[in-house]
Amino acid sequence: SQTIHQWPATLVQPVGSPLSLECTVEGTSNPNLYWYRQAAGRGLQLLFYSVGIGQISSEVPQNLSASRPQDRQFILSSKKLLLSDSGFYLCASRLGSGNTIYFGEGSWLTVV
Amino acid sequence: RKEVEQDPGPFNVPEGATVAFNCTYSNSASQSFFWYRQDCRKEPKLLMSVYSSGNEDGRFTAQLNRASQYISLLIRDSKLSDSATYLCVVNGAGSARQLTFGSGTQLTVLP
Repeated sequence: SQTIHQWPATLVQPVGSPLSLECTVEGTSNPNLYWYRQAAGRGLQLLFYSVGIGQISSEVPQNLSASRPQDRQFILSSKKLLLSDSGFYLCASRLGSGNTIYFGEGSWLTVV
Repeated sequence: RKEVEQDPGPFNVPEGATVAFNCTYSNSASQSFFWYRQDCRKEPKLLMSVYSSGNEDGRFTAQLNRASQYISLLIRDSKLSDSATYLCVVNGAGSARQLTFGSGTQLTVLP
């Protein structure tokens, strides 16, 4: 079964600072990879998804970006964080469009 | 109308009670359905898939009504450990992106 590693687990960053969240997947190959954000008390918002190396689709225009330099690595970045970027960020992996999705343990970001 | 809508909740029930959650979806072409459980400040975890004929896993029963476009989750003999937020998830046809999450229903099982 696949395992999703996500880090860092928690971070507090000042407004205007850069961000890098990393996600790696083990136990599978060529997965679809996703970044979600969950604001406090709200549902999951899809930010980016990728069907292969170098292929990124953005769902919501914002100051975040994503990259997939390797098959099982997905990175979420920002050059300058906003207060509104605070939230719970989840990396997820899915094999094919019909299968279930599995999540990493998440990263709690607080922008101050 | 939201693509996936769930009971607003929260549900506060006594231990041993039976509780049911409903979820409606707007895309009639949706192909697969799931219930996820999310504990406080944790990632969502798959609880069960939902099959057309309905399916059961211990105390949990999931049902799908394609004609009315809703799915349900029934929890019997509630345990304190069932306290969590339950997310309805709908997979549309085709592309990788079409997995839509409901906003979740919070359940608290009281002693």
